[in-house]
Amino acid sequence: QITLKESGPTLVTPTQTLTLTCTFSGFSLSTSGVGVGWIRQPPGKALEWLALIFWDDDKRYSPSLKSRLTITKDTSKNQVVLTMTNMDPVDTGTYYCAHRPYTSGLYWFDPWGQGTLVTVSS
Amino acid sequence: SYELTQPPSVSVSPGQTARITCSGDALPKQYTYWYQQKPGQAPVLVIYKDTERPSGIPERFSGSSSGTTVTLTISGVQAEDEADYYCQSADSSGTCMFGGGTKLTVL
Repeated sequence: QITLKESGPTLVTPTQTLTLTCTFSGFSLSTSGVGVGWIRQPPGKALEWLALIFWDDDKRYSPSLKSRLTITKDTSKNQVVLTMTNMDPVDTGTYYCAHRPYTSGLYWFDPWGQGTLVTVSS
Repeated sequence: SYELTQPPSVSVSPGQTARITCSGDALPKQYTYWYQQKPGQAPVLVIYKDTERPSGIPERFSGSSSGTTVTLTISGVQAEDEADYYCQSADSSGTCMFGGGTKLTVL
């Protein structure tokens, strides 16, 4: 059974850097084709894809947020870390991590973590 | 990048058929995935690769594709199907995108 859980600060001050950790079980990020993605959702709004990291350390970022995002993995700890710089109140929302199943050239997410709410406020 | 367009809302009576569309210029070349999100919960995959249903998802959920539009169909809608539904796709390099979401109301 695959599970993922997000952790990190619930409150961030504007201009600060956000660091979120996704801790997972039931799969290994050293397995060929596997990936972990991050998706966020402002309150009452739509899902927004942020980043994706693959088993071979290849990475993809949302074009609109690429300059602010860094995704890394620690295979030995079964963790993926997302950092987002220069946080703004508009970045307030629930941040999810999710498993990307192995399927060559295809990208979807299943399952998802429960999400963690991040509020950006002074 | 490209956009995925969904209707903001769809309403149906119990037992009727709900159809939620997702449109995008790149959809003829890329698969689409559908997620169900109930209030306060994480999204759940209900359809992958346009038409495939994950194990555990009721048979009343189905997907179809025609040109630049893909459709999530829920046959015999039940009250428990009331939720937000999101389509998702990706380009060949792995850059992903979500539609704006559709709120399904069961009258």
